[in-house]
Amino acid sequence: GDSVTQKEGLVTLTEGLPVMLNCTYQTIYSNAFLFWYVHYLNESPRLLLKSSTDNKRTEHQGFHATLHKSSSSFHLQKSSAQLSDSALYYCALSDHGGSSGNKLIFGIGTLLSVKP
Amino acid sequence: DAGVTQTPRHEVAEKGQTIILKCEPVSGHNDLFWYRQTKIQGLELLSYFRSKSLMEDGGAFKDRFKAEMLNSSFSTLKIQPTEPKDSAVYLCASSRDWGGGTQYFGPGTRLLVL
Repeated sequence: GDSVTQKEGLVTLTEGLPVMLNCTYQTIYSNAFLFWYVHYLNESPRLLLKSSTDNKRTEHQGFHATLHKSSSSFHLQKSSAQLSDSALYYCALSDHGGSSGNKLIFGIGTLLSVKP
Repeated sequence: DAGVTQTPRHEVAEKGQTIILKCEPVSGHNDLFWYRQTKIQGLELLSYFRSKSLMEDGGAFKDRFKAEMLNSSFSTLKIQPTEPKDSAVYLCASSRDWGGGTQYFGPGTRLLVL
């Protein structure tokens, strides 16, 4: 079945350094949508960015990701980490247009901790 | 528009009790999801409704977890009987038809089972 892998459970960075959170996925559907959701402490999880277009960079709030279907990857990046980026980040997969509607398959999540 | 609301925000239960968590989706959204959030498993799907019809009931959670959608604007998740391993955050999310996978989450209910 479909699956999403986030290998790092915890990423600790010093403020100002680049961020890269890894996400790979498996699906039989060619029309897969990939998502990054962010969950800040004491807030609701919310969509950060999404893409279904191969090799096209998607950006939002300083973060960016590029869907690479050849390697089944959708890594989240940011050039310079800020203290306020500390949060739990989920990568998710949808077979948009398939029978599962808006259902998402989530990875286990990566906790990003940015230190001064 | 109001977002997804969940009540209660915190719940403490004794082992063996029955608890009911509540969720109101965003008005006009037809898809509703219940998730369990833990550090070990991440976000696990418990139930998925589309236009009040149960589309998926999360397999492994069938025996003690029951979600219902009484009308298009209200859903409940019943856990009966509760066990200490059920301690987690329970999140509700909703989505429009063909929302492209964008789900809107509530603040969650933090459940502690003693």
